[in-house]
Amino acid sequence: SQKIEQNSEALNIQEGKTATLTCNYTNYSPAYLQWYRQDPGRGPVFLLLIRENEKEKRKERLKVTFDTTLKQSLFHITASQPADSATYLCALPSGGSYIPTFGRGTSLIVHP
Amino acid sequence: DSGVTQTPKHLITATGQRVTLRCSPRSGDLSVYWYQQSLDQGLQFLIQYYNGEERAKGNILERFSAQQFPDLHSELNLSSLELGDSALYFCASSAGGQNEDTQYFGPGTRLTVL
Repeated sequence: SQKIEQNSEALNIQEGKTATLTCNYTNYSPAYLQWYRQDPGRGPVFLLLIRENEKEKRKERLKVTFDTTLKQSLFHITASQPADSATYLCALPSGGSYIPTFGRGTSLIVHP
Repeated sequence: DSGVTQTPKHLITATGQRVTLRCSPRSGDLSVYWYQQSLDQGLQFLIQYYNGEERAKGNILERFSAQQFPDLHSELNLSSLELGDSALYFCASSAGGQNEDTQYFGPGTRLTVL
């Protein structure tokens, strides 16, 4: 089955810098990959979806890349703000199912 | 606010008991998903319903069951509860329950089994 790896260590950065989070997966390449944001004790919130034939997708200060050769997606937040502090989850369909499997997430802490 | 509602917010119960969690999807969404999130397991897919019918099953224990009613709200029943069932339970909904459908998550129900 698909294994999804996200850095379990929190990423600490200074306000204004670019945060880069990594999502690696094993086995086959999915047709798409999603990124979600989750605040403590709250449900995940969908941010972006990138398809396997798209190298890059942008939405405001967010940018996602998808490298099917490396089996990796990078999630960037430019000009980061303390309000961006949260856990970011990547999710991708596993096996023959379209139901996404979620990674464990990486915690981002933006310091003022 | 995602438009998905879940009740109750918190539930504290004892081992061996049975509880029911309730979810109302966003207006117009036909598909409901249930997830369990614990510290050691991350977000685990349990089951999906689409327009009243079971569509997909994940790592759902036999002690757990769910259903979706004609008005599209869904209930997740957890029985013979064990300490390890303590977790956050999320419901999500989507329009069609198909590939690439965006899922909208509710605020969750925090279950504590003592």
